[in-house]
Amino acid sequence: LAKTTQPISMDSYEGQEVNITCSHNNIATNDYITWYQQFPSQGPRFIIQGYKTKVTNEVASLFIPADRKSSTLSLPRVSLSDTAVYYCLAPLGSARQLTFGSGTQLTVLP
Amino acid sequence: SAVISQKPSRDICQRGTSLTIQCQVDSQVTMMFWYRQQPGQSLTLIATANQGSEATYESGFVIDKFPISRPNLTFSTLTVSNMSPEDSSIYLCSVVLLSGGSYEQYFGPGTRLTVT
Repeated sequence: LAKTTQPISMDSYEGQEVNITCSHNNIATNDYITWYQQFPSQGPRFIIQGYKTKVTNEVASLFIPADRKSSTLSLPRVSLSDTAVYYCLAPLGSARQLTFGSGTQLTVLP
Repeated sequence: SAVISQKPSRDICQRGTSLTIQCQVDSQVTMMFWYRQQPGQSLTLIATANQGSEATYESGFVIDKFPISRPNLTFSTLTVSNMSPEDSSIYLCSVVLLSGGSYEQYFGPGTRLTVT
């Protein structure tokens, strides 16, 4: 099981760039790394997914080093509405491994 | 993408009773799952809902307590049986769409259950 480890919480200020790092030491060769965002009373929402190097979309970037044992979610210029819990997920190929870690509570301050 | 709806969105139930939660997806999907999220906690996978066969349960979850139906590729139900206050939680339906070697996972809005 590719267990993930992330900081429990982070604080930031509006307009700053936020980087959240997740470790997944036992990631398998075929695993993708996926990040989700969850607001209170809502289901998690897909943010970004990557396999290696760098992936960028309209909301975030994902940096994955060559050994793939960690990944960093980068949120550029956060706003108050980015306050949420962010989950890193690195499952194995079977459905049984779709297990979430503890997540990182990001709080954006004015 | 996939759009998932759940009914009911919330309910307050008495201990000893049962509640059935419905999950409807706007497209046919092979992989469908049920999760539980207790207050302030992360998501815990309950089971994989298999179409045409019995659900596959994770450790700590059993069919007698959480019977699941999956009659077709767009619908599933989860029943929380003989409820106790410890079952108070948010229950989420989820689907996974495969695309080449990658995948995307989508979640429903959740059903907030309070057992008194």
